[in-house]
Order: sequence, then C-alpha cells, then structure tokens
Amino acid sequence: AQTVTQSQPEMSVQEAETVTLSCTYDTSESDYYLFWYKQPPSRQMILVIRQEAYKQQNATENRFSVNFQKAAKSFSLKISDSQLGDAAMYFCAYRSARMGAQKLVFGQGTRLTINP
Amino acid sequence: NAGVTQTPKFRILKIGQSMTLQCTQDMNHNYMYWYRQDPGMGLKLIYYSVGAGITDKGEVPNGYNVSRSTTEDFPLRLELAAPSQTSVYFCASSRTSGGSTDTQYFGPGTRLTVL
Repeated sequence: AQTVTQSQPEMSVQEAETVTLSCTYDTSESDYYLFWYKQPPSRQMILVIRQEAYKQQNATENRFSVNFQKAAKSFSLKISDSQLGDAAMYFCAYRSARMGAQKLVFGQGTRLTINP
Repeated sequence: NAGVTQTPKFRILKIGQSMTLQCTQDMNHNYMYWYRQDPGMGLKLIYYSVGAGITDKGEVPNGYNVSRSTTEDFPLRLELAAPSQTSVYFCASSRTSGGSTDTQYFGPGTRLTVL
C-alpha cells in the first residue's frame, strides 16, 4: 500500500520570504500523480499544484513550485514571496495512475503560519 | 455554479443515533467520493462511486453506507453513531478517475461530533 509522510507538523515563515514544505512517499508503482492541497481555516480543500511522475520537469504555478525527486520519492513544495493568505494546512497526496484508481492517499499535513 | 455542496455544516449526535450527510454536485461529474478527516490527520477515503447505481468501499467503510441514485447526489449514511465517527467529512467529485488533469473538487465539509 502507498503511504505519504509529511515530517513537519508546523512551519512558519516571514511574509515575503520563501518556505519549503517536505513530503516523502512510498510506492512500488512507476506511474502515479502527486498533489499539494491547501486547506485554509474555512476547511475547503484547494488544489495548489500537481505533478505527473513520468515528467522530469518540476511543476510550477505562479509562486508555487515543486522539487520532485522520483528516485528519492520526495515531493517538496516551495512557496516564494509568502503572503498572509498562504496561511493554511498543506497536504501532500498521491494517486496511482492505474486504470480505475480513484483513491487519493494523503499525508498528515503541515500547518503553515505566515508572520507579518 | 455551486460546485460541491454539503449539508449540514455541523452536527452533534448521541451514540446510537442515525443520520445522513448530504452531498450534491452540479458539474455532471461521474465520480464522487466521501472522505473523513480526523484531527491532525489527512483525509481517508470511506466510499466512492463511479456513476449512478455503482458504489464501492474505500479504506475505512465500516459503520457507513452510501447510495447513488442520481449523478448529482451521493448521500452518506451513519446507522449507529459511535464516538470513533467524530470527524470532519468531505465529499468530492471528479469528471473521471484517471489522469492528473482530472481534479477532485471538494465540498466545504461537515463537522460531526458523536457524544
């Protein structure tokens, strides 16, 4: 079974600085997808960024980028120019690329605080 | 376009009571999911559906039942509430299950407390 681990329960960063959230995963599959979701206090789960395992290029979405290291099974999220609105729980998630695979496997989450 | 809606937002149940958590999506998505999120943890899949009339178990199905009579609705039923079911429940939907571009869209969640 696949597992996702986020080893940082809490992180904090000064506004306008850069922060990196860590995620590692365990799988025997070669093809899969990885995601970062943001959960603000409203509880809404919001997709931040996604990465296909077959792509070597790291995904970027504006101030958000990932460092995908397939051999190391590592998938970290970098937030540049942190803003107060970035404060939230961040979850790393895995999904198999097998046909019919539906389950998202989530990590435990990292609570990100932005200090003004 | 409301997306995925869930009712109620909050609920307190006594042990042994029953209730149904409602979920509706207006995006004509085939796939729908129910997750639970325990304090300090990520989400775990309870049940999912690949279309009207078809449902299947996820990781943690015990104590729950689902039905899918229409594309839009996917209610989650708790028959005999137990304190272990205290959690936040999220409904989600997606167009298909495959491909990274197929995003799961989440509802706002229902916070359930069983006392």
